[in-house]
Amino acid sequence: DVKVTQSSRYLVKRTGEKVFLECVQDMDHENMFWYRQDPGLGLRLIYFSYDVKMKEKGDIPEGYSVSREKKERFSLILESASTNQTSMYLCASSFLESTDTQYFGPGTRLTVL
Amino acid sequence: GESVGLHLPTLSVQEGDNSIINCAYSNSASDYFIWYKQESGKGPQFIIDIRSNMDKRQGQRVTVLLNKTVKHLSLQIAATQPGDSAVYFCAENRDDKIIFGKGTRLHILP
Repeated sequence: DVKVTQSSRYLVKRTGEKVFLECVQDMDHENMFWYRQDPGLGLRLIYFSYDVKMKEKGDIPEGYSVSREKKERFSLILESASTNQTSMYLCASSFLESTDTQYFGPGTRLTVL
Repeated sequence: GESVGLHLPTLSVQEGDNSIINCAYSNSASDYFIWYKQESGKGPQFIIDIRSNMDKRQGQRVTVLLNKTVKHLSLQIAATQPGDSAVYFCAENRDDKIIFGKGTRLHILP
């Protein structure tokens, strides 16, 4: 079974704080993704990575950065958290091709006060 | 519980009945489709997939139907159970990316 884990289920931060969300997958997948999920907007792609040290902007990268130093780990960074970044953050991984099935982690519910 | 899917269309089904959840896709060139289930407070979970060279695929209690003529995908759940209560959304491959629909909330009536 594919296992994707995220470092926190719930996180509360203050405006202006730097926030790190960690994601780890144990299936040697090449591709990893970060999404945010908001009511009525569905899943929106923030960043993705098809290889170690490689990153590509998704549809809504503003206010975020990512890091992929190891194949199994993909980190999402909020340099200076803002209240409009309060959301559910979902990490996913897929095997090799850009259109391979994505497997998701449990999500991190981030609240920025 | 989580607020995911607050504004989603809702399908209410009596426990024991069959559920049919529909999805329209836009790109006639899409050749791969996936259904996900997302329970409250959890990440989306893969249910079943189908490639465009098929029009039907069955899993355990679930069936996916693909109608390429009208670009329509459906998920059928047989003998719906309380544990099926969740948001269901489809995904398609489009432009070398997986694109997710916004989802339908399935509500089980006792």
